Amino acid sequence: DADVTQTPRNRITKTGKRIMLECSQTKGHDRMYWYRQDPGLGLRLIYYSFDVKDINKGEISDGYSVSRQAQAKFSLSLESAIPNQTALYFCATGAFEGRGETQYFGPGTRLLVL
Amino acid sequence: RKEVEQDPGPFNVPEGATVAFNCTYSNSASQSFFWYRQDCRKEPKLLMSVYSSGNEDGRFTAQLNRASQYISLLIRDSKLSDSATYLCVVGSSASKIIFGSGTRLSIRP
Repeated sequence: DADVTQTPRNRITKTGKRIMLECSQTKGHDRMYWYRQDPGLGLRLIYYSFDVKDINKGEISDGYSVSRQAQAKFSLSLESAIPNQTALYFCATGAFEGRGETQYFGPGTRLLVL
Repeated sequence: RKEVEQDPGPFNVPEGATVAFNCTYSNSASQSFFWYRQDCRKEPKLLMSVYSSGNEDGRFTAQLNRASQYISLLIRDSKLSDSATYLCVVGSSASKIIFGSGTRLSIRP
């Protein structure tokens, strides 16, 4: 079984709709992250959380919100989706191993906003 | 200027060749360095950490040059399965990790 899972894997929605992307992990890591990936722009950090009571904005948090319901769960919401939020979204966990933090990614959610 | 910059490629090389690419970073306080690999339409996965003394894992060698602020990845005897995008990752503090945009590598038979 995968250590970091994301649901749904693919989603098509319409402008203005609210949508939630879910992430679960069995790695026991405290740190969790949401990224989006667009062609040519690499991974950009949306939000991150270092434990259940901790929520932090990343570089592109506008238009998104998150909830850390438990150590194992970190969900991302688009309150009112717009077409430029069409992207590949990754959830990741992080742990310090050796010289720095290693991140473990889920399989991604492909989101298309029409 | 981006905090972490990579040549996007693509690098197109024949099987068996040696290929190398660099990544530059702007924050001199950066403390941790990694290479991740991302296959098409898949998630990034850790390839190797990069240590100051340089490190090798099979056909892969990673180097760090703090004076010039770049890291490098060398792949020897390249295989078709090495075709992927290679992401440079730099950590500057406990909460800041920056991913480069990636370098695409294509190995041809």
